[in-house]
Amino acid sequence: DGGITQSPKYLFRKEGQNVTLSCEQNLNHDAMYWYRQDPGQGLRLIYYSQIVNDFQKGDIAEGYSVSREKKESFPLTVTSAQKNPTAFYLCASSMEGKGGIDTEAFFGQGTRLTVV
Amino acid sequence: SQQGEEDPQALSIQEGENATMNCSYKTSINNLQWYRQNSGRGLVHLILIRSNEREKHSGRLRVTLDTSKKSSSLLITASRAADTASYFCATDATDDKIIFGKGTRLHILP
Repeated sequence: DGGITQSPKYLFRKEGQNVTLSCEQNLNHDAMYWYRQDPGQGLRLIYYSQIVNDFQKGDIAEGYSVSREKKESFPLTVTSAQKNPTAFYLCASSMEGKGGIDTEAFFGQGTRLTVV
Repeated sequence: SQQGEEDPQALSIQEGENATMNCSYKTSINNLQWYRQNSGRGLVHLILIRSNEREKHSGRLRVTLDTSKKSSSLLITASRAADTASYFCATDATDDKIIFGKGTRLHILP
């Protein structure tokens, strides 16, 4: 079955530690996205990537880093510089890349990160 | 910055009634999309309307787009208990970012 998978579902981090959230898709999509969702709030864009080896900052990139070494994978690292990392993190992919046609985004089931 | 703003923030209606949610956005777009999110889950795509379209239907869903007013509406007809969820609009602008609004929490009362 094609889809987008996030892992782990729940993640606990001690203050001052870096942690990496996994996002893998087998949909052959060019574009991938990371969003943060706080309770009762909408989604805010952290980083996005239109093609392999290329990514751009979203609206709240500070304290986060990403890589896009493979088309299928777009891991997000939450660094110790992120002052309030406790949130629900959602990864998405879409067929659209640079100059491509517009299509919908497919979402993973999310990772809930808690700082303890 | 949020591109889309949904209105109302929360909506409670009786089962069987129609539910209407609105979305306003700020910049020029390629398309506008509506998504649904059940509590604690990922988002599910409902419908996409392109900037040159004015209305689109999918089952019990009807979406309109007014680019002159930079606004869209989502109508769910004959609501069911299973429609209880949060609904988000998202815009795909010329910079290829997909930006979401804050959502409307819809609650269908039995």
